[in-house]
Amino acid sequence: EVQLVESGGGLVQPGGSLRLSCAASGFTFSNYWMHWVRQAPGKGLVWVSRINIDGSSTTYADSVKGRFTISRDNAKNTLYVQMNSLRVEDTAVYYCARMNTAMANDYWGQGTLVTVSS
Amino acid sequence: QSVLTQPPSVSGAPGQRVTISCTGSSSNIGADYDVHWYQQLPGTAPKLLIYGNSNRPSGVPDRFSGSKSGTSASLAITGLQAEDEADYYCQSYDTSLSGYVFGGGTKVTVL
Repeated sequence: EVQLVESGGGLVQPGGSLRLSCAASGFTFSNYWMHWVRQAPGKGLVWVSRINIDGSSTTYADSVKGRFTISRDNAKNTLYVQMNSLRVEDTAVYYCARMNTAMANDYWGQGTLVTVSS
Repeated sequence: QSVLTQPPSVSGAPGQRVTISCTGSSSNIGADYDVHWYQQLPGTAPKLLIYGNSNRPSGVPDRFSGSKSGTSASLAITGLQAEDEADYYCQSYDTSLSGYVFGGGTKVTVL
């Protein structure tokens, strides 16, 4: 069974940093591109970032470019996102998601809440 | 303001057919990128409903169908059921943004 489990969310002050993790199981993690998607409270889904199978290629939404860094450790079956210079508007539930060959996100984690507030 | 435009809400009685539109542009749907649809039940993570414009993952009822034409796509739900009350999102890739984009979401209400 495919499972994605996010962790690392919490309360952080504006300007602070946080690293989220996504532990994958039930599939060959190193064969799949992975994404981070976020959802602010009561709002819609917003794509954040994606990484290819070996981490050599990454892309970011303009809203997080230069502040967030996506990475992966295929030996540990884990996806990460390092979030620096956090802003109030980064407050959201952050989901990791697997991307299939059709470029759709076919499996999602349960999400982890990041709250940026003073 | 989302790159892909969806109606905020649609509603229908049990058993009826409802459709949700997803309007893009020449840099995403019109550039021949596929459209995918997700269902998000209250308090849960999104679930893939339709991929590659019209394909259903295993386990998704055939009451759900997708189509694409030009710069738009549509999701149809036939035989609407109470359990279909959820938020629905379309997604594609945008070449101008070099990234993936979602619609703003549509809340489906079963009357």
